Amino acid sequence: DTEVTQTPKHLVMGMTNKKSLKCEQHMGHRAMYWYKQKAKKPPELMFVYSYEKLSINESVPSRFSPECPNSSLLNLHLHALQPEDSALYLCASSQGRVEPMRQFFGPGTRLTVL
Amino acid sequence: AQSVTQLDSQVPVFEEAPVELRCNYSSSVSVYLFWYVQYPNQGLQLLLKYLSGSTLVKGINGFEAEFNKSQTSFHLRKPSVHISDTAEYFCAVTRTDSWGKLQFGAGTQVVVTP
Repeated sequence: DTEVTQTPKHLVMGMTNKKSLKCEQHMGHRAMYWYKQKAKKPPELMFVYSYEKLSINESVPSRFSPECPNSSLLNLHLHALQPEDSALYLCASSQGRVEPMRQFFGPGTRLTVL
Repeated sequence: AQSVTQLDSQVPVFEEAPVELRCNYSSSVSVYLFWYVQYPNQGLQLLLKYLSGSTLVKGINGFEAEFNKSQTSFHLRKPSVHISDTAEYFCAVTRTDSWGKLQFGAGTQVVVTP
């Protein structure tokens, strides 16, 4: 299994809503990442978890709250978002035994904030 | 810090013609180099990577890239493109001593026409 799955595929939310994005991998990877990608732009790193601990936070606003409940699962909790937060949110994982530096990406969650 | 420059934002190409996508990087430390492809409404897929060794790297779908340390370049080539190669291509680098943080170039949109 070389797949990173993300749910939901699409999400529409109002500025007062609370929602969560979910990412899962079963490749035994010990690092997991959240990226934000605006249209026609490259992905921008938001958070990195290594061995279930937050190791990098790229100065992301507190309305985005990551969580890593176990080594296979990564969540991104969303609260009081702004319309400019609308983007594709990509999850990735790496640090497997065979290719530790290669990041495997999920298909993304397309988020629209109204 | 590292930086990545993709010299072409869009490359139109006819089917069965060759294509070259240019990538230059700058870094004060040694890096690993990657090319990722993103098809419309999808996540990123690794095409190829340079870690060490032979400077000519072969990847999936007939792509190859050449690492040139003196010119700090990592250009991607394909001798004959298909319509299905229409996609966004990202060059990325990461430090060899802390490879969790990928730095992406701005991307090159390849449009293949019959």
